[in-house]
Amino acid sequence: EIVLTQSPATLSLSPGERATLSCRASQSISSYLAWYQQKPGQPPRLLIYDASNRATGIPARFSGSGSGTDFTLTISGLEPDDFAVYYCQHRSDWPLTFGGGTKVEIK
Amino acid sequence: EVQLVESGGGLVQPGGSLRLSCVASGFTFNGYAMSWVRQAPGKGLQWVSSISAGGVSTHYADSVKGRFTVSKDNSKGILYLQMNNLRAEDTAVYYCASALCPGGSCYSVWDYWGQGTLVTVSS
Repeated sequence: EIVLTQSPATLSLSPGERATLSCRASQSISSYLAWYQQKPGQPPRLLIYDASNRATGIPARFSGSGSGTDFTLTISGLEPDDFAVYYCQHRSDWPLTFGGGTKVEIK
Repeated sequence: EVQLVESGGGLVQPGGSLRLSCVASGFTFNGYAMSWVRQAPGKGLQWVSSISAGGVSTHYADSVKGRFTVSKDNSKGILYLQMNNLRAEDTAVYYCASALCPGGSCYSVWDYWGQGTLVTVSS
């Protein structure tokens, strides 16, 4: 099973700041990594798939990068609506797994 | 508009069974792989099971293998999850989700999700 480790667990930032979230895989997953945003009481929302492809309707301030074992989600200029929990997920092989999440909170 | 609506959750005793349903609309259901993802209270996301567009191929997390069965009725547009021998650790909100299928090939990532149905396993 591929283990995804997200860091930091919590990121405290102010609106307008840049957020950098990390996801590290226990073995190479090529570019088969997705990022989701989840707010309380809501289902996850797909942001990025295959490391760097924005999903439909996702603003350009969200960008993804990386390959192999190290991946980054960057939010350039946090807006109030962006404070949430972010998960990474791989689709490299079965079983599919998620990272433990990074909470982006208002400083 | 794509809609996924889950039902069938509730309180069940350990060892009991439940069948979850997910009614899909707004897209060509028989062309999409589907999955179940769960989230225990206050915890992160856990993939549970996936089924191919045609319903022939299925995959399960080790924690549910042999106890859960996923199926889809393409004629009715419904995804199911039959859950047997339930355990306390199965307590979670269960989401159904449709696979991202750009250009006809489906990826095991999910761009549409239902609102979830809560399963509580407790005596």
